[in-house]
Amino acid sequence: KQEVTQIPAALSVPEGENLVLNCSFTDSAIYNLQWFRQDPGKGLTSLLLIQSSQREQTSGRLNASLDKSSGRSTLYIAASQPGDSATYLCAENGGSQGNLIFGKGTKLSVKP
Amino acid sequence: DTGVSQNPRHKITKRGQNVTFRCDPISEHNRLYWYRQTLGQGPEFLTYFQNEAQLEKSRLLSDRFSAERPKGSFSTLEIQRTEQGDSAMYLCASSSGASVYEKLFFGSGTQLSVL
Repeated sequence: KQEVTQIPAALSVPEGENLVLNCSFTDSAIYNLQWFRQDPGKGLTSLLLIQSSQREQTSGRLNASLDKSSGRSTLYIAASQPGDSATYLCAENGGSQGNLIFGKGTKLSVKP
Repeated sequence: DTGVSQNPRHKITKRGQNVTFRCDPISEHNRLYWYRQTLGQGPEFLTYFQNEAQLEKSRLLSDRFSAERPKGSFSTLEIQRTEQGDSAMYLCASSSGASVYEKLFFGSGTQLSVL
């Protein structure tokens, strides 16, 4: 059974800090990995998608990396802001036409 | 392009009642997906449509659940004889269908509470 694990489950940092969220997956044959943001009671907002052939993707203050050989992805957030407070989910696509396998998420709190 | 739209946003029902949710995908997106998310968990795949054809169903989709996408545009998810364990956020997503490598776009979800 394919599994996705996210560590830590929760993280609290002061504003301005750089931080890293971790995601590990068991499927060595993933097609891509996607990072999402979810605000309380809301749907998912796609942040970054990394194809299996790529090593990283960047969008603004966000940088996501992918290491298929070790089954790991990281989401790096630079210069964190209180508005970054949310739950961050990673999901791997093993190629089953959209059957994404999600982790449980990391709940991030950025304190002003 | 207004994004994926889901209605209603919240639904409260009594155990044993039937409920129906609607999802309007991004215009011209061929693929539509339903996921379920319970508190503290990541979303879990329920089912997926390519145009009007339902191509994959999860074992989570018991016989009380039925999904349709009659004209290949909007989709409905019906739950019959609701149980308290059905309480969850039901999320809809769509994608263009161009490739298995593409990004999924999610709606804001329907929060179901079964009393």
